[in-house]
Amino acid sequence: EAQVTQNPRYLITVTGKKLTVTCSQNMNHEYMSWYRQDPGLGLRQIYYSMNVEVTDKGDVPEGYKVSRKEKRNFPLILESPSPNQTSLYFCASTTGRIPDTQYFGPGTRLTVL
Amino acid sequence: GDSVTQMEGPVTLSEEAFLTINCTYTATGYPSLFWYVQYPGEGLQLLLKATKADDKGSNKGFEATYRKETTSFNLEKGSVQVSDSAVYFCALSDLPGNTPLVFGKGTRLSVIA
Repeated sequence: EAQVTQNPRYLITVTGKKLTVTCSQNMNHEYMSWYRQDPGLGLRQIYYSMNVEVTDKGDVPEGYKVSRKEKRNFPLILESPSPNQTSLYFCASTTGRIPDTQYFGPGTRLTVL
Repeated sequence: GDSVTQMEGPVTLSEEAFLTINCTYTATGYPSLFWYVQYPGEGLQLLLKATKADDKGSNKGFEATYRKETTSFNLEKGSVQVSDSAVYFCALSDLPGNTPLVFGKGTRLSVIA
């Protein structure tokens, strides 16, 4: 089954404690993205990757890092989380062909205390 | 830059009522347009899409027509069901893969029996 998986689905942590949210897709997609969803703001892109070792900033990259060492994986790293990073996070992947249908993971709800 | 504006919610309808959710866009090129749906506790999934002017996307009884003259892509359904209760996002993609989907802020639909 074609899917995007994320782990963990729920995470409560404290300010400053480094964390990683994993994302994996099994569709051999080249393009992957991370979004955060906040009430009243919709979805905003954090980072995206066009291929292995190729990443670029989205609209709200501050406080986040990503890496793309393998095609299927695109982890999101918060080196020093802060309460304003409390949000619902989605990973997505796409072939990159027009039209661009993105496939979303189930989401990770992060709370930073 | 590109942007998507969709009607504010929440929208509450009775079962079998007619649904319209308005969406207008601003883009420099010729974007592909999408409607995504997010059911409670889940990630976003593609509902329908259209890639050029006058195209009509349709799925599960929902329809939307790409109107270049009014820069709109309004979502409609003739008879909603309780199972249609979800958050609906209008989105556009101006270039393949390596640029983000630009999302509207979402419209929450509640259908009551």
